[in-house]
Amino acid sequence: EIVLTQSPATLSLSPGERATLSCRASQSISSYLVWYQQKPGQAPRLLIYDASNRAAGIPARFSGIGSGTDFTLTISSLEPEDFAVYYCQQRSNWPPTFGPGTKVDIK
Amino acid sequence: EVQLVESGGGLVQPGGSLRLSCAASGFTFSNYAMHWVRQAPGRGLEYVSVISSNGIITYYADSVKDRFNISRDNSKNTLYLQMDSLRAEDTALYYCARDGIPARRLGLNWFDPWGQGTLVAVSS
Repeated sequence: EIVLTQSPATLSLSPGERATLSCRASQSISSYLVWYQQKPGQAPRLLIYDASNRAAGIPARFSGIGSGTDFTLTISSLEPEDFAVYYCQQRSNWPPTFGPGTKVDIK
Repeated sequence: EVQLVESGGGLVQPGGSLRLSCAASGFTFSNYAMHWVRQAPGRGLEYVSVISSNGIITYYADSVKDRFNISRDNSKNTLYLQMDSLRAEDTALYYCARDGIPARRLGLNWFDPWGQGTLVAVSS
């Protein structure tokens, strides 16, 4: 099973700042990396699929990059509604696995 | 609007059984594989199971294999998860989610959208 590691565990930032979240895979997953956002009391929401493709309706301030084992989600300028937990997921090998999440909270 | 609504959760004793349902609307249900993903309280996401669009192919995480059974009724646009021999560690919010790509063949894709979840608590 492929293990995903996310860093940092918590990112404390202010609105308007840039957020950079990392996801690392235990082996190469090509570009088969997905990002979700989860707000308290809500289901996860798809943000990015295949490392860099924004899902429908996702604002352009969200961007993803990476391949192989190292991936990054960037939020260019944090809006109040962006403070949430972000999970990565790999779709390279069964079973699909998730990272432990990065919480972006308000500084 | 695509909508997934889970039901059937509740409190059950260890060793007991529950059947979860996920009612789908707003899309052609029979075109998509469907998944169950769970989240223990305050924890991360754990993949549980998938069923292909035609219901023929299924897959289970090792943690639930031989105890859980996924099924679907395409005539009712409904996904199910029969959970037997429940353990305390099965306590979680169970989400159903649609596969990211409509397909007859079962692939490994992303999950979009997700339902709001139904809570399963296993305790004596």
